Amino acid sequence: GQQLNQSPQSMFIQEGEDVSMNCTSSSIFNTWLWYKQDPGEGPVLLIALYKAGELTSNGRLTAQFGITRKDSFLNISASIPSDVGIYFCAGPPNTGNQFYFGTGTSLTVIP
Amino acid sequence: GAVVSQHPSWVICKSGTSVKIECRSLDFQATTMFWYRQFPKQSLMLMATSNEGSKATYEQGVEKDKFLINHASLTLSTLTVTSAHPEDSSFYICSARDLERSYNEQFFGPGTRLTVL
Repeated sequence: GQQLNQSPQSMFIQEGEDVSMNCTSSSIFNTWLWYKQDPGEGPVLLIALYKAGELTSNGRLTAQFGITRKDSFLNISASIPSDVGIYFCAGPPNTGNQFYFGTGTSLTVIP
Repeated sequence: GAVVSQHPSWVICKSGTSVKIECRSLDFQATTMFWYRQFPKQSLMLMATSNEGSKATYEQGVEKDKFLINHASLTLSTLTVTSAHPEDSSFYICSARDLERSYNEQFFGPGTRLTVL
């Protein structure tokens, strides 16, 4: 199956700092979704993006759907300890009914 | 709304036995459910797409005779790992699409930790 590449793979930041991560694909995507996964649990949807160029916020989280439709970005402002977890981008490519996940970005927030 | 449950949350079994995992959409109907497998420190890998009333679509490299999927109703899909072996030990997660929400949004279950001894 297809895989989406995320960077960075991991991040260690101080509480209060802003965080940026991105996701790229070789295929065009119609929808980009960002999920957070805590250890031993299923992913939880954070933000959904539906149009190229779209910028959407959810509290301290902001995500953008890249113009090329092959990438997306997630920013977290003023990080707090509960932001710790693994962040995944995901979505269905332009063709097919499948749904694929990115490689993940592990975030550690140091109090 | 959009709650997905899985049962059991964890299971330990002997090599050679079969294990059934249930995925239920509790407050919505889902014609399509998805099954993923996740190894430690890795991403979720799509195994198969489960369609209500029809055969599941398996990803390349996933043995359909080993991972049996049954989507009997709009709220229930089951994954049976047949003749399980230690290498099948993993975290299995299902997801479901809500018919009344965006077609492309998926809601995930809490996962099932399978350990094969």
